[in-house]
Amino acid sequence: DIQLTQSPSFLSASVGDRVTITCRASQGISSYLAWYQQKPGKAPKLLIYAASTLQSGVPSRFSGSGSGTEFTLTISSLQPEDFATYYCQQLNSYRLTFGGGTKVEIK
Amino acid sequence: EVQLVESGGVLVQPGGSLRLSCAASGFTFSDHYMDWVRQAPAKGLEWVGRIRNKAKSYTTDYAASVKGRFTISRDDLKNSLYLQMTSLKTEDTAVYYCARGGVTTRGRRYFDYWGQGTLVTVSS
Repeated sequence: DIQLTQSPSFLSASVGDRVTITCRASQGISSYLAWYQQKPGKAPKLLIYAASTLQSGVPSRFSGSGSGTEFTLTISSLQPEDFATYYCQQLNSYRLTFGGGTKVEIK
Repeated sequence: EVQLVESGGVLVQPGGSLRLSCAASGFTFSDHYMDWVRQAPAKGLEWVGRIRNKAKSYTTDYAASVKGRFTISRDDLKNSLYLQMTSLKTEDTAVYYCARGGVTTRGRRYFDYWGQGTLVTVSS
């Protein structure tokens, strides 16, 4: 199975900060990558798909980039509602996998 | 409005069986691939498996951790998705989500709607 490694696993930041989360794949996955946001007790929410396409209704401060084995999710100016856990997911193989998650907390 | 509502989560003993359901509404269920994803307490997300639509012969794929023990099925007439779980282990304890693979690009289907989840606890 394709392994996804997210870094950092934990991030402390302030409102207004620019935040970048990295997801590395154990083998090339083209651009078949999604990013999800999950808040405590809630289901995940799709933010970005195909590595860089913003899902409808998601604020433009979220952006994604990358292809092959290295991907990034960037939040240009962190807002209070963005404190959550973020997961990447690969859809290159029939066996889908998620990264371990990055928890973004208030500094 | 798209809705996915899971049910069937309970406390079950190791070695036992359980069937989860996911009731879909607000969209043409038969058109879509559907997936199950689980999340153990205080842990990350783990994809469980997928069932494709009729056009793709209802084929399925599973994570290695559940292959041979779990079976995904669907009833397009009832707009329902199922997860039959057998030989349950304590490590299967998790919230189980159903998700719709509704965003399609370059042959891949990304999860645009999720249910609220149902908790399965495997313990003696």
